[in-house]
Amino acid sequence: DTGVSQDPRHKITKRGQNVTFRCDPISEHNRLYWYRQTLGQGPEFLTYFQNEAQLEKSRLLSDRFSAERPKGSFSTLEIQRTEQGDSAMYLCASSLGDRGVSDGYTFGSGTRLTVV
Amino acid sequence: DQQVKQNSPSLSVQEGRISILNCDYTNSMFDYFLWYKKYPAEGPTFLISISSIKDKNEDGRFTVFLNKSAKHLSLHIVPSQPGDSAVYFCAASNNNDMRFGAGTRLTVKP
Repeated sequence: DTGVSQDPRHKITKRGQNVTFRCDPISEHNRLYWYRQTLGQGPEFLTYFQNEAQLEKSRLLSDRFSAERPKGSFSTLEIQRTEQGDSAMYLCASSLGDRGVSDGYTFGSGTRLTVV
Repeated sequence: DQQVKQNSPSLSVQEGRISILNCDYTNSMFDYFLWYKKYPAEGPTFLISISSIKDKNEDGRFTVFLNKSAKHLSLHIVPSQPGDSAVYFCAASNNNDMRFGAGTRLTVKP
């Protein structure tokens, strides 16, 4: 297993366009998390899945954001009608059950979104 | 609400000396405290953690100390090496809620 993979690594889009990011977690990890990181800040929680169920969403996740994990494997994060304030690094992480609470999450390298 | 704070954005130390990174938190319900390390163009990598019922955890050159009464934890790296140069994030977790600090950029000079 090569760890958590995220695609694309970089995305530049015009304001108002829709974008979709993909995350492939470690295969045996049933929990998947999305975080957003802006310059000079730490990662901020957006949402998480246990298998295919989306169990929690942050208030940061506006109606323009939607995440899916249809078969409990890979996940997608879609942002509709992008705004300049959406420019950030979007990080995906995974863990095996609640072991991540003590053993840490495994993060991907992130997708850097720039909205122009 | 910023429940995890790292008040020092940067720290510079000489190779071989001790690096001490600090972190404060406000929520006494956190069960675990973690440190992650991040290199440029990579995601954060888990380094070490400590349970809220412990006051010290050591792993090789890395030791984390927890002072619950002060709601403060620190990461000690000794001896520091140039390869330790990275951004270090403090995190605190309670069930599935993991909060991160803003990070401290550590530079270890040869």
